[in-house]
Amino acid sequence: EPEVTQTPSHQVTQMGQEVILRCVPISNHLYFYWYRQILGQKVEFLVSFYNNEISEKSEIFDDQFSVERPDGSNFTLKIRSTKLEDSAMYFCASTQTGDYGYTFGSGTRLTVV
Amino acid sequence: QKEVEQNSGPLSVPEGAIASLNCTYSDRGSQSFFWYRQYSGKSPELIMSIYSNGDKEDGRFTAQLNKASQYVSLLIRDSQPSDSATYLCAVTSGGYNKLIFGAGTRLAVHP
Repeated sequence: EPEVTQTPSHQVTQMGQEVILRCVPISNHLYFYWYRQILGQKVEFLVSFYNNEISEKSEIFDDQFSVERPDGSNFTLKIRSTKLEDSAMYFCASTQTGDYGYTFGSGTRLTVV
Repeated sequence: QKEVEQNSGPLSVPEGAIASLNCTYSDRGSQSFFWYRQYSGKSPELIMSIYSNGDKEDGRFTAQLNKASQYVSLLIRDSQPSDSATYLCAVTSGGYNKLIFGAGTRLAVHP
């Protein structure tokens, strides 16, 4: 069964450093998303991406965040200057039509120290 | 602010019993409704989707939707210890179908 692949599975970074989280969505999917889940809290929407541009973003997705689809297969989330409160699981998801349930990747656990 | 509400639990049921999980949502424009299962430290796994009022059955799982009451439920029949997990209700919102998640209901199935 096709999978959404995320790397790395765990990243530890120092406060103020830049991190890039990587995702390879399912190949024929057209809609891409990033979500995050702080430990013990809800899964929260960050950003959706369609047709090579951001289609919607949440209040969390401020100027410190950016997304790219650099080569037609990878989909990245960059955090420019990490804060302690950015520590969370980050999930990439994709869907073919946007109307059906997403396939989530296995997640990247980001720990900011 | 669009919200999805679930009882946090834990909901404890004996093996073989029916587990009933409930969810309400605030956005009347939501069109698609999902139940995800999440094991601790893992990503959400889609187990059921429902788009129209009524019941939808898939194996041991039945999803129920009532748009007038803004209510979604999930029934798990013949519950097994392996069903012990957090169950997340999610509804679509907005033109690009972002998902709004509830906080999840923790289900514990004891032998």
